Amino acid sequence: DAKTTQPPSMDCAEGRAANLPCNHSTISGNEYVYWYRQIHSQGPQYIIHGLKNNETNEMASLIITEDRKSSTLILPHATLRDTAVYYCIVRVEGGNQFYFGTGTSLTVIP
Amino acid sequence: GAVVSQHPSRVICKSGTSVKIECRSLDFQATTMFWYRQFPKQSLMLMATSNEGSKATYEQGVEKDKFLINHASLTLSTLTVTSAHPEDSSFYICSARGGGRSNSPLHFGNGTRLTVT
Repeated sequence: DAKTTQPPSMDCAEGRAANLPCNHSTISGNEYVYWYRQIHSQGPQYIIHGLKNNETNEMASLIITEDRKSSTLILPHATLRDTAVYYCIVRVEGGNQFYFGTGTSLTVIP
Repeated sequence: GAVVSQHPSRVICKSGTSVKIECRSLDFQATTMFWYRQFPKQSLMLMATSNEGSKATYEQGVEKDKFLINHASLTLSTLTVTSAHPEDSSFYICSARGGGRSNSPLHFGNGTRLTVT
């Protein structure tokens, strides 16, 4: 079962930062937070993951709160191609299964 | 980066026939692969975990005799939908974990759109 909750939808103006929140209040100490996105009719695309420190890569930044009960994915300059469903997933280190929640449908508006 | 290839991307079959979907890890070996199903406007639902050289592990409610999984090599897993019916029409997606670390992310294929007529 998914252990995360996300808002069902969000809008963001093109060129602005998109901040996508995720609650994972029951996360355990050895569980990582992963973010994926899915563009219509494609497989999910990996974005970023982290344990407790903030992470940044060429796609996005991941901010994890100190108590690790929530996190925020930041797309610094949203483009129209960032319109997708974004999924936040928690997984035990070394554990296999990824269970998807309902995700957030992000629409980037011109 | 890790690439997972899925074939075919689309398939249409008649009710009662069987359909095989292939999932390949192109640039890494995957002892474990995962099969998901996604209905329109819904999230991905994990169906089963495919283990190289051993039996697959199915999620609760997934019929193992209907969804046959074979993982005969470290780079190939197949899902066969047997005696397909219109309600089996869905988007099937496979994934595998690339990288040697225990926290390595899953990488997904581009999915197979199955339509049963």
